[in-house]
Amino acid sequence: EAGVVQSPRYKIIEKKQPVAFWCNPISGHNTLYWYRQNLGQGPELLIRYENEEAVDDSQLPKDRFSAERLKGVDSTLKIQPAELGDSAVYLCASSLPLGGPGDTQYFGPGTRLTVL
Amino acid sequence: AQSVAQPEDQVNVAEGNPLTVKCTYSVSGNPYLFWYVQYPNRGLQFLLKYITGDNLVKGSYGFEAEFNKSQTSFHLKKPSALVSDSALYFCAVRDQAGTALIFGKGTTLSVSS
Repeated sequence: EAGVVQSPRYKIIEKKQPVAFWCNPISGHNTLYWYRQNLGQGPELLIRYENEEAVDDSQLPKDRFSAERLKGVDSTLKIQPAELGDSAVYLCASSLPLGGPGDTQYFGPGTRLTVL
Repeated sequence: AQSVAQPEDQVNVAEGNPLTVKCTYSVSGNPYLFWYVQYPNRGLQFLLKYITGDNLVKGSYGFEAEFNKSQTSFHLKKPSALVSDSALYFCAVRDQAGTALIFGKGTTLSVSS
């Protein structure tokens, strides 16, 4: 079974430019997460989707970050405009519904963003 | 508020020796506890979790973890370390209400031959 797929793996942009990351979760996983991992830190949740609905976006900087999961499968995370402090690894994870017995989160390889 | 502490930034062990990576947590109610491993330029790989039941949880690659409620700890262990176990290890916790995982800062495990 394929794991969580993310693209691109690496992205280098100049500050104030837009950038987008794409994620395809494990088949059948209704719950999708976007995390940001700063250097030397553990991942921190940005947003969680249950199907198409964003049920937890309290940590998403909404002035510049946006996300969508239009058909309840793939998801895109966008930053516009990017700032130097956005340099990090952006991780996507998926799971069966949170709170259920199979809600272990499985992570993709991540996108390493460098903002110059 | 939920939190996780991994008190050691780095753990060094010789191949063949037992290893322990420490984790303590704080959560309201009963905890759901997880260990993940991250290799360079890779995402996090799930190792094991504790939800309920036996305090000793066995996971992938020969790892196990012991849940200790009185000490609020969930230490990761392996009886005999391999060089290939060298990686970054993360402990994570959430409560039963289904909130997001809270991760520790990670512990780098270095196994020397």
